[in-house]
Amino acid sequence: DTAVSQTPKYLVTQMGNDKSIKCEQNLGHDTMYWYKQDSKKFLKIMFSYNNKELIINETVPNRFSPKSPDKAHLNLHINSLELGDSAVYFCASLGRGLEGGYTFGSGTRLTVV
Amino acid sequence: GENVEQHPSTLSVQEGDSAVIKCTYSDSASNYFPWYKQELGKGPQLIIDIRSNVGEKKDQRIAVTLNKTAKHFSLHITETQPEDSAVYFCAASIRQAAGNKLTFGGGTRVLVKP
Repeated sequence: DTAVSQTPKYLVTQMGNDKSIKCEQNLGHDTMYWYKQDSKKFLKIMFSYNNKELIINETVPNRFSPKSPDKAHLNLHINSLELGDSAVYFCASLGRGLEGGYTFGSGTRLTVV
Repeated sequence: GENVEQHPSTLSVQEGDSAVIKCTYSDSASNYFPWYKQELGKGPQLIIDIRSNVGEKKDQRIAVTLNKTAKHFSLHITETQPEDSAVYFCAASIRQAAGNKLTFGGGTRVLVKP
């Protein structure tokens, strides 16, 4: 029973298209994140939501729009895809308090051609 | 904001030897330091973490040390095995701050040679 699940696992699309990545967590966590991992493996935060409220937006282009319909889901919609958007996108969640760490999904490899 | 640097970027060790990865952080307010292991095609998985009120923590073959004064922390893997081969990331965050964002180091690719 996967704790943080992302779909799709792979996404190949043409420049200019609009695409969405979905994320769901069954851990009962309050906070969810999107991270981007580039070709050099560097992991950088993009967004964070706490109980459906946006709390972190790390100067990501406004072509990227996160949406959280409820605290168990955080989706990422990307408009007008560019070649530079090719990366692996990871969803993660974090529980309240000081116990436990961040739990990551298995990633979505986005390739823009 | 927080900046985390990680060294080395690659590390090759013989099976059975020890591996050490070092990280430094810039924000003295950071109080939570996890380490993640990422295998090929998978997401990062938490292997051990340490909080700023603790100087050292051990879990079987893995140990982490933290020096708050110097703002650096290290991962030690003893008796390495081929299945330890992966990319390891250190990270830092302020656990009680709004947002709780993790800032990652650049990663260390560890190869354990049989």
